[in-house]
Amino acid sequence: QQQVKQSPQSLIVQKGGISIINCAYENTAFDYFPWYQQFPGKGPALLIAIRPDVSEKKEGRFTISFNKSAKQFSLHIMDSQPGDSATYFCAASIGGGSNYKLTFGKGTLLTVNP
Amino acid sequence: DGGITQSPKYLFRKEGQNVTLSCEQNLNHDAMYWYRQDPGQGLRLIYYSQIVNDFQKGDIAEGYSVSREKKESFPLTVTSAQKNPTAFYLCASAFLGGEQFFGPGTRLTVL
Repeated sequence: QQQVKQSPQSLIVQKGGISIINCAYENTAFDYFPWYQQFPGKGPALLIAIRPDVSEKKEGRFTISFNKSAKQFSLHIMDSQPGDSATYFCAASIGGGSNYKLTFGKGTLLTVNP
Repeated sequence: DGGITQSPKYLFRKEGQNVTLSCEQNLNHDAMYWYRQDPGQGLRLIYYSQIVNDFQKGDIAEGYSVSREKKESFPLTVTSAQKNPTAFYLCASAFLGGEQFFGPGTRLTVL
């Protein structure tokens, strides 16, 4: 059973456009939602993360929107650039401390055309 | 990649052989993790450890084994019992409850 569903599987955006990636989760105990960016042949790197006590978090061109009632969260990349071309993973975990295990979505391959 | 190193970068294994993937961190992190990544499948947790000499199974532990004899090291052995071991293996570490930092990965291919 997939606990975090991510869509779309792939996305093509023109330079300067907005990239939107969506995730939905099932387990209401999840309380930490990070997004990771991965370039080919490299390990993922944390991009931005949110906790359910806020509905939106923005860091530069990257924004997470969170809808607790719908159990959905999304990543928005404003003014997308060719250097943003990568695979993006959403994830979720329950609590911190001794139970910090991440459940990942299947990933979205983003291509930003120049 | 920071202070997490994985070796080798590429590894080839014949069927029936056990192989060990290395993961070392110099970040003084308490927790270490092993994930497997397959195309279109995201990352799946194999094993994790929050303290030396203790570790727990993740979602896909069958056919794998680990040890945590030192805080900075968390090697993963892929045994011959793992039916489909060809994949990209990622190690991560974190302070308890903190952000996970990933290593550069090891690509394992079974010949």
